[in-house]
Amino acid sequence: GNSVTQMEGPVTLSEEAFLTINCTYTATGYPSLFWYVQYPGEGLQLLLKATKADDKGSNKGFEATYRKETTSFHLEKGSVQVSDSAVYFCALRKSNQGGKLIFGQGTELSVKP
Amino acid sequence: DAGVTQSPTHLIKTRGQQVTLRCSPISGHKSVSWYQQVLGQGPQFIFQYYEKEERGRGNFPDRFSARQFPNYSSELNVNALLLGDSALYLCASSLVSGRGDEQYFGPGTRLTVT
Repeated sequence: GNSVTQMEGPVTLSEEAFLTINCTYTATGYPSLFWYVQYPGEGLQLLLKATKADDKGSNKGFEATYRKETTSFHLEKGSVQVSDSAVYFCALRKSNQGGKLIFGQGTELSVKP
Repeated sequence: DAGVTQSPTHLIKTRGQQVTLRCSPISGHKSVSWYQQVLGQGPQFIFQYYEKEERGRGNFPDRFSARQFPNYSSELNVNALLLGDSALYLCASSLVSGRGDEQYFGPGTRLTVT
């Protein structure tokens, strides 16, 4: 079936360090791919998305590229800030399943000053 | 513009009771989806409604039901509560229900079953 796998957390980085959170997926066809962020005590916010192979989503310094050949959508940021501390979720959505999002288990990021 | 709103914010119920959670979508959005997020896990899809009709259902028992009203707001009902139903319940709205349509999430309702 369709699924998303993220790297285990928590990830602890120092401020201004480079961030990579790995995400791989299993799905037939060409799903849309998303990264959501959840700050403590809040709901989910869409961070970025890509709807076809080789698309690059970007927002607030975060980037992710839809890699069909490796079924991956890794999240990167060149220089993290303390305010980026949150839980990050990778998700996919199939074209024949309407609005249903399938999420990974989440990766907690903690950025220290 | 107001975002997705959910009520109540928190509630505590006893095993066997029934609960109703409410969601108001962003103005103009016609689709509402519900997700269950157990602590430490990613959200799991429960239902999607579009134009008051069920468009999708996740792998949840029949104790879970939902409906959408003419103003596009929605209710999620859970009967015969179990301890395992304790979770954050998220509502998301979107303009339509297509593949590329962006979903906006509410802050969630934290349900604790004792």
